[in-house]
Amino acid sequence: GENVEQHPSTLSVQEGDSAVIKCTYSDSASNYFPWYKQELGKGPQLIIDIRSNVGEKKDQRIAVTLNKTAKHFSLHITETQPEDSAVYFCAALLRSGGGADGLTFGKGTHLIIQP
Amino acid sequence: DAGITQSPRHKVTETGTPVTLRCHQTENHRYMYWYRQDPGHGLRLIHYSYGVKDTDKGEVSDGYSVSRSKTEDFLLTLESATSSQTSVYFCAISESGRGETQYFGPGTRLLVL
Repeated sequence: GENVEQHPSTLSVQEGDSAVIKCTYSDSASNYFPWYKQELGKGPQLIIDIRSNVGEKKDQRIAVTLNKTAKHFSLHITETQPEDSAVYFCAALLRSGGGADGLTFGKGTHLIIQP
Repeated sequence: DAGITQSPRHKVTETGTPVTLRCHQTENHRYMYWYRQDPGHGLRLIHYSYGVKDTDKGEVSDGYSVSRSKTEDFLLTLESATSSQTSVYFCAISESGRGETQYFGPGTRLLVL
């Protein structure tokens, strides 16, 4: 199966600065990598995703990069704002012939934006 | 939450009792998933469904069963609840491709005493 490692577990940045969260995955056959934001007491919210045929994707202040050779992908948030404070999860999708197509998640990064 | 509701939102039960959690969607998406979220483990897949009456096991399926008799409803049953099943349970749905673009519901917090 797939294994996803996520770092750091906690990240504190000044408002307006950039934040970077990194994940590595174990199975080179994984081909879809989403990022989720989870606020306290709520379900995870999909914020951006990338497929293995793409190296980078941007959506306003958020970007994701993928390095297939090294098997790692990163979330970049620029010009951080207080509302970016949350727990962020990376995930990887490994499709198998007859098995589960659920996501394998990292353990999360608690992002704290300092005013 | 992308037209997903979960019920109940909170439940306290005793060890050995059966528990059923419900996920209801209004998006008519084909794929539905049940995950559990625990500190130190992140989210882990329990079961998933790829259509009415079509289900399969995930990473942590022991002690759980599921049913899907209608597109919009996916039920998770704990046949005999144990304290290790105390967790927050999330339902997710997706339409495009197997496993991609999953949207999560608000969760059910379950405490087994």
